[in-house]
Amino acid sequence: GESVGLHLPTLSVQEGDNSIINCAYSNSASDYFIWYKQESGKGPQFIIDIRSNMDKRQGQRVTVLLNKTVKHLSLQIAATQPGDSAVYFCAETSNAGGTSYGKLKFGQGTILTVHP
Amino acid sequence: SQTIHQWPATLVQPVGSPLSLECTVEGTSNPNLYWYRQAAGRGLQLLFYSVGIGQISSEVPQNLSASRPQDRQFILSSKKLLLSDSGFYLCAWSYDTEAFFGQGTRLTVV
Repeated sequence: GESVGLHLPTLSVQEGDNSIINCAYSNSASDYFIWYKQESGKGPQFIIDIRSNMDKRQGQRVTVLLNKTVKHLSLQIAATQPGDSAVYFCAETSNAGGTSYGKLKFGQGTILTVHP
Repeated sequence: SQTIHQWPATLVQPVGSPLSLECTVEGTSNPNLYWYRQAAGRGLQLLFYSVGIGQISSEVPQNLSASRPQDRQFILSSKKLLLSDSGFYLCAWSYDTEAFFGQGTRLTVV
């Protein structure tokens, strides 16, 4: 099931440092992955996505890396800013049935705190 | 453009009272709809998932139920709330891949 009952892991960094947030996914059939950012009291917001036929994708200050061999996903944030402080979730899904994608399964999340 | 509306934003209910949270999506048709719960400092727990009208999948046994009376309407209900039902409830929709979330309902059962 989901991560109920588990305290979220935390990552503390200094402003300007690079941050790396990791996520292990469970379904080897998953072929689409997303990172979300959730600020306190708000719903999660899309950051960046990657398909399983890629191993790296870059956005503005963010990079997602996918290692299908070990089912590992990471989010790299360059020059981390105080506004990046939030909870970050990875999510996986697949259309193994050949139709539309099914439900998203979320990782447990990581709390990122950026110190000025 | 697509939008998702979820209300109310906050709710305080006594133990044993009923619950009805509503979520509606605009600008899309036949979306996948989700209800998640998030306890303080915890991750997202998927409660219910729907691929169409009247089609509900329950992910965890609990005191809650969900219904989808219309294509873009998803309702989370309870007949009698428990203290353990307190949490942050999030509605979300997805069409193909990316999911979009509502702003959430903070439920406190007292």
